[in-house]
Amino acid sequence: QVHLQQWGAGLLKPSETLSLTCGVYGGSFSGYYWSWIRQPPGKGLEWIGEINHSGSTNYNPSLKSRVTISEDTSKNEFSLKLSSVTAADTAVYYCAPHSGTYAFDYWGQGTLVTVSS
Amino acid sequence: DIQMTQSPSSLSASVGDRVTITCQASQDISNCLHWYQQKPGKAPKLLIYDASNLVIGVPSRFSGSGSGTQFTFTVSVLQPEDIATYYCQQYDSVPLTFGGGTKVEIK
Repeated sequence: QVHLQQWGAGLLKPSETLSLTCGVYGGSFSGYYWSWIRQPPGKGLEWIGEINHSGSTNYNPSLKSRVTISEDTSKNEFSLKLSSVTAADTAVYYCAPHSGTYAFDYWGQGTLVTVSS
Repeated sequence: DIQMTQSPSSLSASVGDRVTITCQASQDISNCLHWYQQKPGKAPKLLIYDASNLVIGVPSRFSGSGSGTQFTFTVSVLQPEDIATYYCQQYDSVPLTFGGGTKVEIK
């Protein structure tokens, strides 16, 4: 049973860099692909990107120029960095794994990140 | 990007009613579609995978069907605990995309 715990700064100013980490407990880190998904308040879900166990990444083209997803396999953690944030990046950010069919059956608790001057 | 058009965006139904939500893909995605339930303040929960397969432990009143571009999600007998927003998600190609959501309320 995989358990995910997220942490990171919840309040940012415009132009700063969002940084979140997701710790993976109770499962095989190497057996999954690790995604970040976000949800603006009152709106729908947006897939940000993913990293797999070999370190290969896929990003949503709409965010690709600003996104970096990385992993630390020694700590069973993966991270999201989103640069040059604006108010449009205000959202709840979730980490979630899938085992190859992009079915997200485990989710982190979600982190509300607010961008405000 | 593949666009996922979900309808209706909201609905109000009585306990015991049959509820149907549709999801249309902008191109053929075979059966590469999942359905999620999201309750306020919670992360989404996977209910149906690969268009029609029920996740273990999910009540059998939930079902999914369809392939290609047209998909349907059904709650056969609506229960009070089914109040939530439901999303479809395609995984035929990256970027993964979600439908806009259907908010289900009790009449």
